[in-house]
Amino acid sequence: KAGVTQTPRYLIKTRGQQVTLSCSPISGHRSVSWYQQTPGQGLQFLFEYFSETQRNKGNFPGRFSGRQFSNSRSEMNVSTLELGDSALYLCASSPRGAAEAFFGQGTRLTVV
Amino acid sequence: GENVEQHPSTLSVQEGDSAVIKCTYSDSASNYFPWYKQELGKRPQLIIDIRSNVGEKKDQRIAVTLNKTAKHFSLHITETQPEDSAVYFCAASGTSGTYKYIFGTGTRLKVLA
Repeated sequence: KAGVTQTPRYLIKTRGQQVTLSCSPISGHRSVSWYQQTPGQGLQFLFEYFSETQRNKGNFPGRFSGRQFSNSRSEMNVSTLELGDSALYLCASSPRGAAEAFFGQGTRLTVV
Repeated sequence: GENVEQHPSTLSVQEGDSAVIKCTYSDSASNYFPWYKQELGKRPQLIIDIRSNVGEKKDQRIAVTLNKTAKHFSLHITETQPEDSAVYFCAASGTSGTYKYIFGTGTRLKVLA
């Protein structure tokens, strides 16, 4: 089975722009969660989706949003980018009924 | 709010020695505790996990213990090898059926040959 796939792997954006990141879960997994990883704050939960519904949201501003499609693929969007949004954005997928989450390689976003 | 504290932040051990990383969680409803290993530039990989109805779990050189009363859980690595060098994260999940993990701040383990 292919693992969790995130695209693109690297992005450089300018302050004020917006960005969309994509995540394809492991085949058969319907839950997708997103995390932001920074050296200072570690891994912080952004949001979680199951069957196209957001089930949980972390403490991030409204500029961070996401969605999940009927094929379980997920996207997250960050609008009005700030320098502090520079981070590794990780997506994880989980099989139904299991507690484990499996991470993708992440998208490294740099805001200049 | 929900919080997971992890110690130490860095740990250096000689090859063949044991390493122990400790975490404390705040949410008494947490019922699942995974450990992830992240090598430089790579994805976090699940190495072992434990559920709240179990006190200890072992997988070859790796073991995890859980003390629900004290809200502590620990990762034990025996006979450490240079390839064990990485950053290790503990996490605690909340309500059953969700995948919102609260992560510890990570422990950078260096195994010296």
